Amino acid sequence: KAGVTQTPRYLIKTRGQQVTLSCSPISGHRSVSWYQQTPGQGLQFLFEYFSETQRNKGNFPGRFSGRQFSNSRSEMNVSTLELGDSALYLCASSFRQPNSYEQYFGPGTRLTVT
Amino acid sequence: GQQLNQSPQSMFIQEGEDVSMNCTSSSIFNTWLWYKQDPGEGPVLLIALYKAGELTSNGRLTAQFGITRKDSFLNISASIPSDVGIYFCAGRGGSNYKLTFGKGTLLTVNP
Repeated sequence: KAGVTQTPRYLIKTRGQQVTLSCSPISGHRSVSWYQQTPGQGLQFLFEYFSETQRNKGNFPGRFSGRQFSNSRSEMNVSTLELGDSALYLCASSFRQPNSYEQYFGPGTRLTVT
Repeated sequence: GQQLNQSPQSMFIQEGEDVSMNCTSSSIFNTWLWYKQDPGEGPVLLIALYKAGELTSNGRLTAQFGITRKDSFLNISASIPSDVGIYFCAGRGGSNYKLTFGKGTLLTVNP
């Protein structure tokens, strides 16, 4: 079974630009969660999508948004990029069941904002 | 909100030694997960725990779900150089499907 895939793996953007990252979950998984990882803050939860609806949201500004498609693939968008948005963005997929909530991560997208 | 305290922050050990790390929560959890992350990669799930008192092994790794439901432990026996990496705990409480992550334990193994 294929794992979680994320594209692109690396991105370099300029302040003020916007960026869209893509995540394809493990086949059969309908929940996709997004995280921002930085050396100083660790893994910070951005949001979770399940059945094309946002179910949970972390404490990030509205510049961070996402969506999920009917095939469970998800995208996240960051508008008006700031230098502090440089990070590894990870997505994780799961079955979203009480006794089966293992989240499996993709390799991440390394975003550098200059 | 829920907070996780993971310790130690880092460990330097000799190959063959056993390792122990733990996470404590400010609130009750019903799921504990342990991950390992190598540089430039996403975290890889090692062990999942769903029941208080549960003890689960995965090769040389053993994790336990604390009986208070506010802590979890990960032990690595007979460490080898490829055990190097950052180990994260993650927990979920209540009916919320959101994971909270610890800050990680950086493990270095000297051959």
